[in-house]
Amino acid sequence: GAGVSQSPRYKVAKRGQDVALRCDPISGHVSLFWYQQALGQGPEFLTYFQNEAQLDKSGLPSDRFFAERPEGSVSTLKIQRTQQEDSAVYLCASSLVSTEAFFGQGTRLTVV
Amino acid sequence: AQSVTQLDSQVPVFEEAPVELRCNYSSSVSVYLFWYVQYPNQGLQLLLKYLSGSTLVESINGFEAEFNKSQTSFHLRKPSVHISDTAEYFCAVINNAGNMLTFGGGTRLMVKP
Repeated sequence: GAGVSQSPRYKVAKRGQDVALRCDPISGHVSLFWYQQALGQGPEFLTYFQNEAQLDKSGLPSDRFFAERPEGSVSTLKIQRTQQEDSAVYLCASSLVSTEAFFGQGTRLTVV
Repeated sequence: AQSVTQLDSQVPVFEEAPVELRCNYSSSVSVYLFWYVQYPNQGLQLLLKYLSGSTLVESINGFEAEFNKSQTSFHLRKPSVHISDTAEYFCAVINNAGNMLTFGGGTRLMVKP
């Protein structure tokens, strides 16, 4: 596709359930980022990949959060044993150069 | 470490009036500065950016922002807003390593007829 695609767009999970969020970056983009956007706040950095290598995961809030990009293209953000505080919009972005990041529409996760 | 502050969480304005959305940043190193716009139920879109050179940068839809190093600011302005400008606006910085954007809390621009 022409842009960054994220799926699902909306996800409702029961507390304690595991979820997996998918990101399809723009073809050829080396860098891929995950951000978390809580309601009424700006996005906050979670993790960064360059190709398949996860170079920075300093923003992941706990060891329940795990991200992978095994073939350097599609990425999955997994959250284990979801908690209510995990409710947020999860944004994926990809870029060819560091100063031009393209964002997907996000996945809105609601934990009930 | 770097941070971004957007002092106004909401800015109501009438159509065709001018508007300024304020952004201040702090960083110990040189940064690149960005404004992103988020329309309802959509992702973030890059509005404009400052990398180097002229401190005044413009977007294709009439917005402009001026980098002021001494005041560590990058305020966004538009001389005459339209209803369609109603959206959330985020100021952001990126460090030299270029591996992450740091965003402000956002400013909701509400244009009223």
